[in-house]
Amino acid sequence: DQQVKQNSPSLSVQEGRISILNCDYTNSMFDYFLWYKKYPAEGPTFLISISSIKDKNEDGRFTVFLNKSAKHLSLHIVPSQPGDSAVYFCAASVNTGKLIFGQGTTLQVKP
Amino acid sequence: DVKVTQSSRYLVKRTGEKVFLECVQDMDHENMFWYRQDPGLGLRLIYFSYDVKMKEKGDIPEGYSVSREKKERFSLILESASTNQTSMYLCASSLRRQETQYFGPGTRLLVL
Repeated sequence: DQQVKQNSPSLSVQEGRISILNCDYTNSMFDYFLWYKKYPAEGPTFLISISSIKDKNEDGRFTVFLNKSAKHLSLHIVPSQPGDSAVYFCAASVNTGKLIFGQGTTLQVKP
Repeated sequence: DVKVTQSSRYLVKRTGEKVFLECVQDMDHENMFWYRQDPGLGLRLIYFSYDVKMKEKGDIPEGYSVSREKKERFSLILESASTNQTSMYLCASSLRRQETQYFGPGTRLLVL
């Protein structure tokens, strides 16, 4: 039972354009959502998060949008840079602190 | 900066061997976690710990055990390694339960 799903295994965009990564969840009890970025042979690094009481959080080039009615989360990267090429994982938690991760989306930003 | 270190980057073991994976964090975090990452499955939680000598099962604990004798150290134990435990193992820690988890570099384990 996959409670957090990233339905696109991969995404390719041109440098300078917008990258949009999507994530869907099924558990309405999730109250905290995060995005992590992972390079090969490294551990995931935290990118940005959002609480369920908000619908948008922005940090520089990265913006996360939360649509609770649709149980949908998205990460926007504007403008995309070649260094953004990595695997992106969305994750969700309830107040236990346990994170449930999606399968990941591999982003390739072409120069 | 938070630093989470894992004892090995790469390990090769034989089926049936006992395997120890060590994780150390240097920021006095209360919570520590062990995940495995497999292609197409994302990260799956094996075990976690909210305090010294405490442990909780995650989503896939079968075939694994853990030990947390000191706050900074969390060990994952494969009692009898099997080929289906070939994977990337990731350790993480967080200060409190609802806070960001910080990950180590991972250990890629191959069981032959």
